[in-house]
Amino acid sequence: AQSVTQLGSHVSVSEGALVLLRCNYSSSVPPYLFWYVQYPNQGLQLLLKYTTGATLVKGINGFEAEFKKSETSFHLTKPSAHMSDAAEYFCAVRRAMEANNLFFGTGTRLTVIP
Amino acid sequence: EAQVTQNPRYLITVTGKKLTVTCSQNMNHEYMSWYRQDPGLGLRQIYYSMNVEVTDKGDVPEGYKVSRKEKRNFPLILESPSPNQTSLYFCASTTSVGHEAFFGQGTRLTVV
Repeated sequence: AQSVTQLGSHVSVSEGALVLLRCNYSSSVPPYLFWYVQYPNQGLQLLLKYTTGATLVKGINGFEAEFKKSETSFHLTKPSAHMSDAAEYFCAVRRAMEANNLFFGTGTRLTVIP
Repeated sequence: EAQVTQNPRYLITVTGKKLTVTCSQNMNHEYMSWYRQDPGLGLRQIYYSMNVEVTDKGDVPEGYKVSRKEKRNFPLILESPSPNQTSLYFCASTTSVGHEAFFGQGTRLTVV
C-alpha cells in the first residue's frame, strides 16, 4: 500500500525566509512523486515531479524538491518566500505503471508574513 | 489550450435530489478520475476510469456513480445526495504513460 504523510498542516514563514514543507511516503515499489499547489478557489497545479534520474528536481516559481530514498522523503523547499507563495501544498505518490492510483497527503497551508 | 473543464463550479442542492457534475478533457487522455477534498483529509479518489466503458471504484465510492461513454467526458452522478457529500470535488485526467495528472477547477457542492 502507498501513503503520504505531510508534517504540519499549517506553516508560517516571513517574506524572504526559507520555505520547507515536509513529505514522507511509503511505497513498496519505486514511486513517482509530485508536489501540487492549490491557490484559493482554484484547482491543483503541478509544481514539480520526480520520476527517475536526478534526485533533485526543480519546479516552477523557484521551488525544488529532493528525493531521498533512504529517508523515504520528498521535501519541498524554496530559498526565499514571496507573498504570492501563500497557498495549500499537496504531496502525492503513485506507482510508475499505475496512472490511475495517485495518493495525496493531507496538505500543508503556507502563510507568508510580510 | 489543454484543459479539464468541470461544471458547475458551485452547487447547492437538497438532500435526495439527483445531480450530475460534468467533466470534460480535451487532451485525449485515457485515464480520468474524480476526487473529493475535505479539510484535514486531503484528496481522496472516488472513482477512476482507464478508458471508455472501463470504470472502477477508488477509496470512497459510496453514494456516487460514474460513466465513461466517450473518451473526453467523465460525469459524476449523485443519485441521492446527503449532507456528508458536501465537499469540494475535482476531476483529473492523465495519459496511460503520463506522469502528472491535470485537474479541473473544482466543484464546490453543498447538500442541505
